[in-house]
Amino acid sequence: ETGVTQTPRHLVMGMTNKKSLKCEQHLGHNAMYWYKQSAKKPLELMFVYNFKEQTENNSVPSRFSPECPNSSHLFLHLHTLQPEDSALYLCASSRDRQSNQPQHFGDGTRLSIL
Amino acid sequence: RKEVEQDPGPFNVPEGATVAFNCTYSNSASQSFFWYRQDCRKEPKLLMSVYSSGNEDGRFTAQLNRASQYISLLIRDSKLSDSATYLCVVNTVGDYKLSFGAGTTVTVRA
Repeated sequence: ETGVTQTPRHLVMGMTNKKSLKCEQHLGHNAMYWYKQSAKKPLELMFVYNFKEQTENNSVPSRFSPECPNSSHLFLHLHTLQPEDSALYLCASSRDRQSNQPQHFGDGTRLSIL
Repeated sequence: RKEVEQDPGPFNVPEGATVAFNCTYSNSASQSFFWYRQDCRKEPKLLMSVYSSGNEDGRFTAQLNRASQYISLLIRDSKLSDSATYLCVVNTVGDYKLSFGAGTTVTVRA
């Protein structure tokens, strides 16, 4: 059982829809991350939060909007997405931002844009 | 040059065989290294950290070669359940961002 849970597991939406992805971690970690994984490509870091503060926006288009109300919850708000945004979106957490800390991943949300 | 490069495979091996593969990284300041395992359509899961002196966890052995800037993973006595994509993950000194390789696919056949 993963300590990081993501909902929904699957999402199909049109380009004009607005939806949100949710991530919750039960590990007592202080850092949370959003990644995008497209087919046959490495994971791409999107956003990093440390103690609820955004510390990294990896040149992500504004149609992706993160929100971190507390150290345990992370959201990714989506609007006017493009077909190329179809991918697996993974949330991860780590104890802190130190480089030697492994990250624990949620199951991911598989997103399809029609 | 990509930050982390892996042979995508696939490595097709029979049960009981030994399989090994490498991962090269471009930043000589990299300090932390991990192997993650990702099953088809599932999330990555930490397999093991890689230490400077090399380390072993059961049938899995990881090694680090700083001079040549690569890490390796060796799987002994392969099981069917070892079939997965193995992700090489590298972190840089003073930088919490992990750099992921695209993965090496291993398929163990009966």
